[in-house]
Amino acid sequence: QKEVEQNSGPLSVPEGAIASLNCTYSDRVSQSFFWYRQYSGKSPELIMSIYSNGDKEDGRFTAQLNKASQYVSLLIRDSQPSDSATYLCAVKRAGKSTFGDGTTLTVKP
Amino acid sequence: EPEVTQTPSHQVTQMGQEVILRCVPISNHLYFYWYRQILGQKVEFLVSFYNNEISEKSEIFDDQFSVERPDGSNFTLKIRSTKLEDSAMYFCASNPSGANVLTFGAGSRLTVL
Repeated sequence: QKEVEQNSGPLSVPEGAIASLNCTYSDRVSQSFFWYRQYSGKSPELIMSIYSNGDKEDGRFTAQLNKASQYVSLLIRDSQPSDSATYLCAVKRAGKSTFGDGTTLTVKP
Repeated sequence: EPEVTQTPSHQVTQMGQEVILRCVPISNHLYFYWYRQILGQKVEFLVSFYNNEISEKSEIFDDQFSVERPDGSNFTLKIRSTKLEDSAMYFCASNPSGANVLTFGAGSRLTVL
């Protein structure tokens, strides 16, 4: 079982739609959860961090965490073509972040 | 905005050669990391470094790899004898506390021929 598993892509949505990205993790002791965005050839950049169960909203982005189900998700509302990128779920335990394979999102104008 | 700086941006080397990748973390950060990403694959943890010593390393980080903080600003990754499979993008990252978000540098692309 992978430590961090993301829903297989690629994911394609029309402009203005909601994009839903999912991630499950295997280590119950994980403490911190992150969504990074990575454009092709670039480094990961943070979109959202979430540490406790529930929802966390930041602009068009909402992260959801359910530790009992070992599940974290990212919703992107009103998707824009500039949101087209690979989204990486990362799970942190102590000092180490483990990344999922990523889900590639394409937002079509 | 403070940033993590990496050099070189791209290095081409022959198999068996030594390579040193350099990073200048954000000045008030205490935790430093190296990650790598083989083309088309996921970001993989290599090593974390705190208080002038390795705090954790992955199975990828074998005897061919070493890290050093030679002065107050630089954080280096050395690959002693490069192999073809070391070709990847190497990202340096830092954060002020181990629990915080990682700030990544732009990466150093290593190509081993």
